[in-house]
Amino acid sequence: DAKTTQPNSMESNEEEPVHLPCNHSTISGTDYIHWYRQLPSQGPEYVIHGLTSNVNNRMASLAIAEDRKSSTLILHRATLRDAAVYYCILGNDMRFGAGTRLTVKP
Amino acid sequence: SQTIHQWPATLVQPVGSPLSLECTVEGTSNPNLYWYRQAAGRGLQLLFYSIGIDQISSEVPQNLSASRPQDRQFILSSKKLLLSDSGFYLCAWSVGAYTQYFGPGTRLTVL
Repeated sequence: DAKTTQPNSMESNEEEPVHLPCNHSTISGTDYIHWYRQLPSQGPEYVIHGLTSNVNNRMASLAIAEDRKSSTLILHRATLRDAAVYYCILGNDMRFGAGTRLTVKP
Repeated sequence: SQTIHQWPATLVQPVGSPLSLECTVEGTSNPNLYWYRQAAGRGLQLLFYSIGIDQISSEVPQNLSASRPQDRQFILSSKKLLLSDSGFYLCAWSVGAYTQYFGPGTRLTVL
């Protein structure tokens, strides 16, 4: 059974913020939340991870709900190069779901 | 810094032929290693993972096998390829059950 659920696809306009949601209602207390993205014809790349507190790095921000049953990956200003499939993974789960295909429109 | 290598980058093989894909990791010791396959337009399917030399777990029963002859070397093999084995094969490593880092992948076409 999938541990996370994400929308199949989302669209954004260039230079606008994007909020990519992930639901993980069965998360355990020790599960980290990881986000990866896969650009066309490449392997997935790490984006960000967190446990309880919101996290920021040069690529994105991760907002984690207080009950930890959901999280949101935030791209502050989408660029055309951000068009990719975004995956939300829990803990040591090595199984990637279908992810969210983000389309960025110029 | 750590790097992961996969080769070849692309491969075209006839049905029934053998397969050997190699993955090596540099700059880390005793990594967890993973093989994934991604069919065209689909998500990633975990095939094998390994927590140490000769310690390999198979996720999906199929005509593929994996071996880890050295700490930082992971090999994916098949004795006879099927058409359905076509896809994008990705190797990844992690330190324990933590962030995974992926290689550049091998695109395999079975004709």
